Amino acid sequence: DAGVTQSPTHLIKTRGQHVTLRCSPISGHKSVSWYQQVLGQGPQFIFQYYEKEERGRGNFPDRFSARQFPNYSSELNVNALLLGDSALYLCASSLAYENYGYTFGSGTRLTVV
Amino acid sequence: RKEVEQDPGPFNVPEGATVAFNCTYSNSASQSFFWYRQDCRKEPKLLMSVYSSGNEDGRFTAQLNRASQYISLLIRDSKLSDSATYLCVVNGGSSNTGKLIFGQGTTLQVKP
Repeated sequence: DAGVTQSPTHLIKTRGQHVTLRCSPISGHKSVSWYQQVLGQGPQFIFQYYEKEERGRGNFPDRFSARQFPNYSSELNVNALLLGDSALYLCASSLAYENYGYTFGSGTRLTVV
Repeated sequence: RKEVEQDPGPFNVPEGATVAFNCTYSNSASQSFFWYRQDCRKEPKLLMSVYSSGNEDGRFTAQLNRASQYISLLIRDSKLSDSATYLCVVNGGSSNTGKLIFGQGTTLQVKP
């Protein structure tokens, strides 16, 4: 069975540009969460979606947005990219809303130049 | 104050050593507690959940003290393959059970 898949694996963007990151959860998982991990830090919570509704939002600016599709896959969008947005973006899926066993994808490494 | 605090290390230990990591958390409403392992440039992977009664998985023992808001991980008989960053993780409390709050991570390097 496929795990959590994320695309692309690596991305280089210029300041001010927009980026869309994609995530496919494990089959049957209805909850998808997004995390940002800056080098040397632990992952920081950005969003959680469950059953296509936003169920949680972290302390990130409105430039960050996300959505979940009927097949439970998800997109994370970041507008007006800043150098500080350079990070590893991780997607995690779980069966339910409560966190009992999140599985992380291998992430998208975003570099903003 | 950070919501989850860990000593970043690095901890450099010889093979066979016993090493302990500690972590404190600030939200007394947190209900779920975990240790994740993250290898260099890889995604975090669940190592073990942490229960109030303490729990053990082979060479790994986790303990939780809710009164002190303190979590620990003990690794016995360290192996070279244990070299990684260990992340202390709690959930966001009853109002946000789906949110994971990560500590900065503690780096372990096991030497031959």
